[in-house]
Amino acid sequence: AQRVTQPEKLLSVFKGAPVELKCNYSYSGSPELFWYVQYSRQRLQLLLRHISRESIKGFTADLNKGETSFHLKKPFAQEEDSAMYYCALPLGSGGYNKLIFGAGTRLAVHP
Amino acid sequence: DAGVTQSPTHLIKTRGQQVTLRCSPISGHKSVSWYQQVLGQGPQFIFQYYEKEERGRGNFPDRFSARQFPNYSSELNVNALLLGDSALYLCASSYQRAADEQYFGPGTRLTVT
Repeated sequence: AQRVTQPEKLLSVFKGAPVELKCNYSYSGSPELFWYVQYSRQRLQLLLRHISRESIKGFTADLNKGETSFHLKKPFAQEEDSAMYYCALPLGSGGYNKLIFGAGTRLAVHP
Repeated sequence: DAGVTQSPTHLIKTRGQQVTLRCSPISGHKSVSWYQQVLGQGPQFIFQYYEKEERGRGNFPDRFSARQFPNYSSELNVNALLLGDSALYLCASSYQRAADEQYFGPGTRLTVT
């Protein structure tokens, strides 16, 4: 079954420290993967997608098919990065039509 | 643009009652999806509607139903409410059917007592 696993509920770091939010997936084939973020009192929003290979707000994520992972990384965390982060796998027949989310990881960046 | 809007913001219902949640997509978006987010979990897919037709359905009982109107707004109905239906219900819209970039609304917080 297709599944997204985020093993950490909470990741707590100090400002300036590196960050790695883990995401593992179960999917047969070449997946597309996304990271969504939800800041306090804001809506869930797309942070970045695998296919675009962009760096957004200093975050990057590389798809590792061998390890079936799509970890989100940032070299130097900022306090404003504190938020809930969700890894998501789009699925569907005839084109992606739904997102399968992981349980999410709360990132807390302390001053 | 106000983005995706949902109403009501909060509501409290009793077990066995029925509830209707509403969603207005971003102007020009033709696809609306519904997700249920239980506390401590990620959003779980319920339905997708595209061009007023159901295009996808998650693993939810028949008590859950939805529809999309000619203006692309959508309603989610839940009958015979159970305590376990208490959750944040999210609506997301996208221009195309594909889920590659979905814009989420603020959600409706449903509490079943």
